[in-house]
Amino acid sequence: DTAVSQTPKYLVTQMGNDKSIKCEQNLGHDTMYWYKQDSKKFLKIMFSYNNKELIINETVPNRFSPKSPDKAHLNLHINSLELGDSAVYFCASSQISGTYNEQFFGPGTRLTVL
Amino acid sequence: KNQVEQSPQSLIILEGKNCTLQCNYTVSPFSNLRWYKQDTGRGPVSLTIMTFSENTKSNGRYTATLDADTKQSSLHITASQLSDSASYICVVTSPDYGNNRLAFGKGNQVVVIP
Repeated sequence: DTAVSQTPKYLVTQMGNDKSIKCEQNLGHDTMYWYKQDSKKFLKIMFSYNNKELIINETVPNRFSPKSPDKAHLNLHINSLELGDSAVYFCASSQISGTYNEQFFGPGTRLTVL
Repeated sequence: KNQVEQSPQSLIILEGKNCTLQCNYTVSPFSNLRWYKQDTGRGPVSLTIMTFSENTKSNGRYTATLDADTKQSSLHITASQLSDSASYICVVTSPDYGNNRLAFGKGNQVVVIP
């Protein structure tokens, strides 16, 4: 029943490692997003994909690489993890053609870099 | 400077009491304004969405108001319950951003105590 799911929920890793976070939505939406929420709880958009095409790419280090194998999935791969990457990462999806383009968020992945 | 400012930053209220959260924005032009509720350890969940032509919208004990002229919105919680303890995030969209890009406030942290 979960509309937007993310795995893993928690991720603890050492500096310098490479890790991936997976996201899947079963809402039939055409657009997916990755957000970063820092310790001050501020949500910032990182990427947005519409029909597997990158449409938003904010000022994010190129160590972060999103991959969208299909409309229902948007994965986030992070190379050479740094301490400052520690945050909660949220995936979201929406239907751009919808009246409000309402975004539905996943439960988040708490990344801790040691 | 953030385009969406929320106040108060945090609020403690007694169970059963009412409270009002404020959101001021400078985003222009304006498409719609949303209030999200984010429980601890979870993703944001939409409470209300209003376009510029809507002045008020309710969702159970939550009532949002919008004054597009003064660029202000409020979220009123009636007869608060312990489950209302959460962060409430005001989000604004602009046609200039493209409908898929949102401007987020930093949230109002509400704690309801028995």
